[in-house]
Amino acid sequence: KAGVTQTPRYLIKTRGQQVTLSCSPISGHRSVSWYQQTPGQGLQFLFEYFSETQRNKGNFPGRFSGRQFSNSRSEMNVSTLELGDSALYLCASSKMTGPQGEQFFGPGTRLTVL
Amino acid sequence: AQKITQTQPGMFVQEKEAVTLDCTYDTSDQSYGLFWYKQPSSGEMIFLIYQGSYDEQNATEGRYSLNFQKARKSANLVISASQLGDSAMYFCAMREDGGTSYGKLTFGQGTILTVHP
Repeated sequence: KAGVTQTPRYLIKTRGQQVTLSCSPISGHRSVSWYQQTPGQGLQFLFEYFSETQRNKGNFPGRFSGRQFSNSRSEMNVSTLELGDSALYLCASSKMTGPQGEQFFGPGTRLTVL
Repeated sequence: AQKITQTQPGMFVQEKEAVTLDCTYDTSDQSYGLFWYKQPSSGEMIFLIYQGSYDEQNATEGRYSLNFQKARKSANLVISASQLGDSAMYFCAMREDGGTSYGKLTFGQGTILTVHP
């Protein structure tokens, strides 16, 4: 069974640009969550999508947005990039939606903003 | 208040020895899940083990076991017979119940484990 895949793996952008990251969950998983990991803030929850609906959102500015498609694939977009957006962006998929649902992570997209 | 606390920034262990990584948590929910993940230098988060709040027995997965003490709100990871490939960052995480917790894992700051030959 294929794991969670994320594309691209590495990305370099300049301030002010926008970026779109993609995540394909494990087959059969309908919940996709996104996280930002930085050395200073650690792992922080961005948002979660289930059946094309955003059900939960972390404390991030509106420049961070996402969506989920009918095949459960998800994208996140960051507009007007800032230097502080440089981070590892991880997505995770889950089959179950309650607290018992294990989340399986993809390899991440490492974004560098210059 | 921190929801997940990992008090050991770094730990060292000799190959083939056992090691315990500490994790304490804070929640008022009755239903929650506790997770441990391993993150090697490549960056990928690897799921290791899960413990549900209603599980009466401690979870085990191969060389990994979770020492769950509900009253003390601790969920320590025990790695038996350490291997060189176990050197990585380890994260403890919690998932609570309820609408504001959909899909959300709250992570600790992590513990860097180094296994010496």
